[in-house]
Amino acid sequence: QQQVRQSPQSLTVWEGETAILNCSYEDSTFNYFPWYQQFPGEGPALLISIRSVSDKKEDGRFTIFFNKREKKLSLHITDSQPGDSATYFCAASAASSGSWQLIFGSGTQLTVMP
Amino acid sequence: NAGVIQTPRHKVTGKGQEATLWCEPISGHSAVFWYRQTIVQGLEFLTYFRNQAPIDDSGMPKERFSAQMPNQSHSTLKIQSTQPQDSAVYLCASSPTEVFFGKGTRLTVV
Repeated sequence: QQQVRQSPQSLTVWEGETAILNCSYEDSTFNYFPWYQQFPGEGPALLISIRSVSDKKEDGRFTIFFNKREKKLSLHITDSQPGDSATYFCAASAASSGSWQLIFGSGTQLTVMP
Repeated sequence: NAGVIQTPRHKVTGKGQEATLWCEPISGHSAVFWYRQTIVQGLEFLTYFRNQAPIDDSGMPKERFSAQMPNQSHSTLKIQSTQPQDSAVYLCASSPTEVFFGKGTRLTVV
């Protein structure tokens, strides 16, 4: 049973548009949610993260919106660039309770068309 | 800061041979993780050390897989009697709190 779900599986947007990547989880003990960006042949790179005490985290063009009640979060990439084309993974852990293991979603493959 | 260093980047082994994968975590990071990535299963947790002590190996296949962290500067993942289904990218990560991944070792078992 998948504990972290991502949608859509793939997404294509035009340069300059906002890409919205969705994530949901089941375990209510999860309290730390990082997003990773992965290019082919590379390891996942930490992009931005949020803790469950917050409902929004912004870093430049990347914003996480978090809804604890619905156990959902989303990553918004504004002014998308071709260089943002990559696979994005949502992950979750129950870090504050000592469980540092990250559970990953299956990823969203983003393509930004010039 | 060179990040998490994994060697080799690619390894090809024959079925039944042993494979040892190496990881050098970021200096000062107290936690080291091993993950496996395949197209079908995605990113799977294998095991985790904190201050060199094994903490959680719940993701490790019970047979043939073992991980060690003999000192704070390196960890190894050993797979005995490799099988084709072990073919994957093996990722090492280290963490003070945020988790940082290496580039991975692509293991191909032929």
